[in-house]
Amino acid sequence: DAKTTQPNSMESNEEEPVHLPCNHSTISGTDYIHWYRQLPSQGPEYVIHGLTSNVNNRMASLAIAEDRKSSTLILHRATLRDAAVYYCILKSDNAGNMLTFGGGTRLMVKP
Amino acid sequence: DAMVIQNPRYQVTQFGKPVTLSCSQTLNHNVMYWYQQKSSQAPKLLFHYYDKDFNNEADTPDNFQSRRPNTSFCFLDIRSPGLGDAAMYLCATRRDMVQPQHFGDGTRLSIL
Repeated sequence: DAKTTQPNSMESNEEEPVHLPCNHSTISGTDYIHWYRQLPSQGPEYVIHGLTSNVNNRMASLAIAEDRKSSTLILHRATLRDAAVYYCILKSDNAGNMLTFGGGTRLMVKP
Repeated sequence: DAMVIQNPRYQVTQFGKPVTLSCSQTLNHNVMYWYQQKSSQAPKLLFHYYDKDFNNEADTPDNFQSRRPNTSFCFLDIRSPGLGDAAMYLCATRRDMVQPQHFGDGTRLSIL
């Protein structure tokens, strides 16, 4: 699977939007961009995924660059419960069933 | 309601004493995974089952084995745990290749 690069950590204020970047310059045409997050003392949780078009769901939005070499996870109003490690993962449906986790971004939310 | 259940949440074993971690799912998913997550690191896939087909990652130590007696249950057996095996062990399921994975909350294994 292609590699992703994320900042180690980010800070946000409560109730403000958060933009979490991910670079994936070697993405292939069949790679989907997946985001998972892991809250303290819990297993990872699926957030959102997309291929080319921007995606929205109840948790977040995913903005994908036109060349697909980067993407941004957007939390519209951060809450204290959003403090977690956010993982950006490329997953090709041609490459089997596994997810390969990178380093992730630790998001800290200040009240 | 929890859909991927790992018991116990915390497990302590002695150096070299075999230990089994368990995972059950109520989702009827075809695929089940075991990941190892060491402190401050990302989860690392150990192996997975697609139905009854077992798939081992190339760098998973021989010390680690798995059993899946039926769709709902999957076990991780560590034959002779070493101090380096202390970690969080995460179980996950997936219905098929295009759906997201559902994770349990993990079992934290300590080795004395």
